[in-house]
Amino acid sequence: EVQLVESGGGLVQPGRSLRLSCAASGFTFDDYAMHWVRQAPGKGLEWVSGISWNSGSIGYADSVKGRFTISRDNAKNSLYLQMNSLRAEDTALYYCAKAPSITIFSQPFDYWGQGTLVTVSS
Amino acid sequence: DIQMTQSPSTLSASVGDRVTITCRASQSISSWLAWYQQKPGKAPKLLIYKASSLESGVPSRFSGSGSGTEFTLTISSLQPDDFATYYCQQYNSLWTFGQGTKVEIK
Repeated sequence: EVQLVESGGGLVQPGRSLRLSCAASGFTFDDYAMHWVRQAPGKGLEWVSGISWNSGSIGYADSVKGRFTISRDNAKNSLYLQMNSLRAEDTALYYCAKAPSITIFSQPFDYWGQGTLVTVSS
Repeated sequence: DIQMTQSPSTLSASVGDRVTITCRASQSISSWLAWYQQKPGKAPKLLIYKASSLESGVPSRFSGSGSGTEFTLTISSLQPDDFATYYCQQYNSLWTFGQGTKVEIK
């Protein structure tokens, strides 16, 4: 059974940093691209970032480019999101999501974790 | 950037009703469209990919159609478990979601 478990969320002041993690199990992690998607409270879904199986292809939404960095450690079956210079508008539930292929492009998201909440507030 | 617009934003329906949700893309996305179902406090679940392909394990009352810029999700006979929010997503160029359609009990 595919499982994605996010962690690392919490309350953080504007301008500070936070690192999210996603622990994957139930599938061969390095055979698939992975993504981060966020959902502000009571709002819709927003793609944040994606990374291919070997980290060779990476993409970011314009809203986080230059502030967030996605990475993965295939030996540890883990996905990460380093978030710097956080803003109030980054407050959201952050989901880890799996693609059905090694490439990030032209693929939907077939499994999602339950999310970790990030609150940016002074 | 490709914008996705869903209609309606809210839909009131009864068990057994046929329900249709529309999603429009701001430019052609071929058939690179997915539909997701999200229930309160839960993660989204993939229902349909490539506009009309049913994800494994999803009931056959769900179907998708369309190509280019106009797409529809149809639930042939609404069941109690189907009351939820539905999102379309384009994956032709990066990834963009529609704003969601909440299907509520009439």
